[in-house]
Amino acid sequence: DTAVSQTPKYLVTQMGNDKSIKCEQNLGHDTMYWYKQDSKKFLKIMFSYNNKELIINETVPNRFSPKSPDKAHLNLHINSLELGDSAVYFCASSQDGSGEDTQYFGPGTRLTVL
Amino acid sequence: GQSLEQPSEVTAVEGAIVQINCTYQTSGFYGLSWYQQHDGGAPTFLSYNGLDGLEETGRFSSFLSRSDSYGYLLLQELQMKDSASYFCASLRGDSSYKLIFGSGTRLLVRP
Repeated sequence: DTAVSQTPKYLVTQMGNDKSIKCEQNLGHDTMYWYKQDSKKFLKIMFSYNNKELIINETVPNRFSPKSPDKAHLNLHINSLELGDSAVYFCASSQDGSGEDTQYFGPGTRLTVL
Repeated sequence: GQSLEQPSEVTAVEGAIVQINCTYQTSGFYGLSWYQQHDGGAPTFLSYNGLDGLEETGRFSSFLSRSDSYGYLLLQELQMKDSASYFCASLRGDSSYKLIFGSGTRLLVRP
């Protein structure tokens, strides 16, 4: 059973396109996250949701819009893709977002913008 | 600002002990976590130090000194499968809790 799953695993697209990445967790966790890992493996938080409510919104271009239809799902929509958006995007979840709770990461979505 | 420093690369032989250091500058610091990531894989949680001192989990131990803004991950009885990147991450809590990751240390275990 996959705890945190993401689709698609790979995404290759042209500049200017709009794309979405989906994330689901079956751990019963209240909190979900989106991270971006660049080519130098630097991992940075983008967003966090707790029970469908946005609680962390880092300095991310507004072309990125997260959406949480329920606490088990957190999707990421990206408009007008740019070359610099190429990265691996990881979804993660944790029990309650209290900070000391362990974060469980999904397998990642490798986005390549041409 | 928020920053964490760790060595970019460490090499060790199978069966040895290796220590990966991490220094941090984080306002609203709560604790230090360590994550392991194999090439092409997802980060996986190894340990968390909320208090000063040593936490031991099997072959892995982690240490924190708040007064020195310093921590380390100690890996004992190294195995080939331990070759991976290791990230320290400071837990910052002000309006909400979030992990600030270091740039990672690539560990290469040689036979």
